[in-house]
Amino acid sequence: EDQVTQSPEALRLQEGESSSLNCSYTVSGLRGLFWYRQDPGKGPEFLFTLYSAGEEKEKERLKATLTKKESFLHITAPKPEDSATYLCAVRRGGSEKLVFGKGTKLTVNP
Amino acid sequence: EADIYQTPRYLVIGTGKKITLECSQTMGHDKMYWYQQDPGMELHLIHYSYGVNSTEKGDLSSESTVSRIRTEHFPLTLESARPSHTSQYLCASSAHIWGISGNTIYFGEGSWLTVV
Repeated sequence: EDQVTQSPEALRLQEGESSSLNCSYTVSGLRGLFWYRQDPGKGPEFLFTLYSAGEEKEKERLKATLTKKESFLHITAPKPEDSATYLCAVRRGGSEKLVFGKGTKLTVNP
Repeated sequence: EADIYQTPRYLVIGTGKKITLECSQTMGHDKMYWYQQDPGMELHLIHYSYGVNSTEKGDLSSESTVSRIRTEHFPLTLESARPSHTSQYLCASSAHIWGISGNTIYFGEGSWLTVV
């Protein structure tokens, strides 16, 4: 069965302190690994899609990377406005379903 | 950026009431979805649609029903709400691109339902 595990569950950083979030996955026939940001009480906001091992994508202070077993979301010099829950999801070929992890709650203190 | 609108955003209703959560998208996407998310938990797919007159059940069993009469509209209905239906319901959509099954799914802001 497809499975996504995110770690850590929660992460507290000081402003400017870089770190990485991990997403380990098990899926047969990966057809996309997705990163979303979710603010309290709101729907997930799309960040990145990665399709194959070795692929990297960047957006502002965020950089997502993908291997055959896991993905990392690197946050460089975070700011308080980066505080949110970051969700990872995978999709297998032929399926409409995204399988989500429970997310990592990131708090960036000023 | 996605244009998916959900109403109501927040709803508190009594047990046994019938409710409909509305979802509309202005991007012309063929595929639409409903996910359910309890606080601190994963999102789970409960319904999806490939296009007009197409509806399918997701993996998570749900007593809700959906309809797709127009491309842009995908309402979710609970005929008789119960406290166990209390949750956040998220509508989403994606474009259908031939040959690509990993195309991005965009989410609405969500509807918070509380059944008392």
